[in-house]
Amino acid sequence: QKEVEQNSGPLSVPEGAIASLNCTYSDRGSQSFFWYRQYSGKSPELIMSIYSNGDKEDGRFTAQLNKASQYVSLLIRDSQPSDSATYLCAVKGYNQGGKLIFGQGTELSVKP
Amino acid sequence: ETGVTQSPTHLIKTRGQQVTLRCSSQSGHNTVSWYQQALGQGPQFIFQYYREEENGRGNFPPRFSGLQFPNYSSELNVNALELDDSALYLCASSAFQGTAKNIQYFGAGTRLSVL
Repeated sequence: QKEVEQNSGPLSVPEGAIASLNCTYSDRGSQSFFWYRQYSGKSPELIMSIYSNGDKEDGRFTAQLNKASQYVSLLIRDSQPSDSATYLCAVKGYNQGGKLIFGQGTELSVKP
Repeated sequence: ETGVTQSPTHLIKTRGQQVTLRCSSQSGHNTVSWYQQALGQGPQFIFQYYREEENGRGNFPPRFSGLQFPNYSSELNVNALELDDSALYLCASSAFQGTAKNIQYFGAGTRLSVL
């Protein structure tokens, strides 16, 4: 079992729709959860961080965390073609120092 | 722009050679982490440096080594390059807060090709 799992996609949604990206993790002691966006050929850019169960909203983005189910998701409302990128879920475990464990990423394509 | 700079942007080496990649951290950050990202994969943690000491290492062989300098900039050295070392190498800086919440900001990366 991979430590952090994401559907690789591609996930295709029409412009204006809600895109839902999912991530599961295996370490129950994980404390911090991050979503990064990576455009092709570029470096990861932080979108959201979440540390407590529940929802966290920032503009069109909402991160949801359920530690009991070991599940974290990212919702993108009113998706735009500029949101087309690979979205990386990253998890920091307990007593893991600074190590971020990434999923393989989900490729999102927003069609005009 | 994250304020994290990496050099060079691209590098071509042959198998068996050695390479040094450089990273300057964002102002106010004292911690640097290095990641390797193969094509189509998520980044994999190589190691982290905090105040010039290694502060955690991933599953990479000893031919991957690093340094952090007093100004918090860092180097990644890879000896005896192998074809599988071809990847995007990412440096991330953060302000070590002793908690799980310190956020890592990535540089643009160095793309290494080993022929």
